[in-house]
Amino acid sequence: DAGVIQSPRHEVTEMGQEVTLRCKPISGHNSLFWYRQTMMRGLELLIYFNNNVPIDDSGMPEDRFSAKMPNASFSTLKIQPSEPRDSAVYFCASSPGQHYAFFGQGTRLTVV
Amino acid sequence: KNQVEQSPQSLIILEGKNCTLQCNYTVSPFSNLRWYKQDTGRGPVSLTIMTFSENTKSNGRYTATLDADTKQSSLHITASQLSDSASYICVVLTYGGSQGNLIFGKGTKLSVKP
Repeated sequence: DAGVIQSPRHEVTEMGQEVTLRCKPISGHNSLFWYRQTMMRGLELLIYFNNNVPIDDSGMPEDRFSAKMPNASFSTLKIQPSEPRDSAVYFCASSPGQHYAFFGQGTRLTVV
Repeated sequence: KNQVEQSPQSLIILEGKNCTLQCNYTVSPFSNLRWYKQDTGRGPVSLTIMTFSENTKSNGRYTATLDADTKQSSLHITASQLSDSASYICVVLTYGGSQGNLIFGKGTKLSVKP
């Protein structure tokens, strides 16, 4: 298995533009997580899905952020409109259960 | 408030030397504690996971300890190698088992110099 696959690896966009981050979890994993990592705050959970259903989205910072998981093999995290303070590395992770989370390589987002 | 504090924030050691990273937590109730290694530009990778009843667990040159009474954990790296240069993140799972209750430390950045 190729692991958790995220795209794009890097994204540079102008303030106000829509940004869509994509994630393909490991096949067979029933949980999927979106995290944001910054130097100041470390890793923060944004939202997680179990069996494609959003379970906890309390970490989503604002209404500008939305996440979807239309099927077991794909998820998106959308920011609309983007702002410079959204600049961070966004990680997607998947898990077959409660003990291990396998992280993707991350998407480095820069909003100018 | 559930928190995970790691120290030091950063550490520089010479290749071949040992080092110990610290993690203190105030998470309750406690389920398990994990250490992740994050190489620059990559996602975190799990090194070890420890439950309440485990005091010590080794994974190659990495040895993690857990003192559930004092709510402290350490990660000891023996005979460091250049490839050990990374951030090491301590993560505590609160009881209930929901992955949504993972509490992350901010990590210790380790640099191993030749």
